Amino acid sequence: DGGITQSPKYLFRKEGQNVTLSCEQNLNHDAMYWYRQDPGQGLRLIYYSQIVNDFQKGDIAEGYSVSREKKESFPLTVTSAQKNPTAFYLCASSMTSAYNEQFFGPGTRLTVL
Amino acid sequence: GESVGLHLPTLSVQEGDNSIINCAYSNSASDYFIWYKQESGKGPQFIIDIRSNMDKRQGQRVTVLLNKTVKHLSLQIAATQPGDSAVYFCAEGQNTPLVFGKGTRLSVIA
Repeated sequence: DGGITQSPKYLFRKEGQNVTLSCEQNLNHDAMYWYRQDPGQGLRLIYYSQIVNDFQKGDIAEGYSVSREKKESFPLTVTSAQKNPTAFYLCASSMTSAYNEQFFGPGTRLTVL
Repeated sequence: GESVGLHLPTLSVQEGDNSIINCAYSNSASDYFIWYKQESGKGPQFIIDIRSNMDKRQGQRVTVLLNKTVKHLSLQIAATQPGDSAVYFCAEGQNTPLVFGKGTRLSVIA
């Protein structure tokens, strides 16, 4: 089964803790993305990566970090510097970063207690 | 800031009727557009896309219309079904990552 997976589906953390969200794809896509979605809102781009070992900040990168050591994986760390981390996080991938459909994972709902 | 937006945040449609969801975009350089469907608690699913060299594209029960003159995009769903109830997003792009609008919630009345 080809696709993009995210884990865990639900995540709880205490204030002041860092947390890492997993995203894996077996579609052989070069580009991967992280979005944040707040209730009743659209998707806002956090970070994206067009190729292994390279990534760029999106519109709301502050308080987040990423790595792209493998083509299949693009983990997102939500740091304690992120002021309002409670949200629904979506990972996506596409063949390239331009003119291509993005395939989305099922999302991770992060709640900060 | 947002360069993609929607005229109607919510839309209620009788089952069997046609639905039209609208989207305005502000970046005249955008030349690739996509519609996504998102069900509650899930990731968005691709519906249909269109390049700027086209005015219309049809899929199964769906049609996307692009009017570059007024920077307007619409999604038409024929014979709307209860399973079409979801939030629909338009997104625009060029040689950059997609920019998403806020979405329209489609509610199908049985």
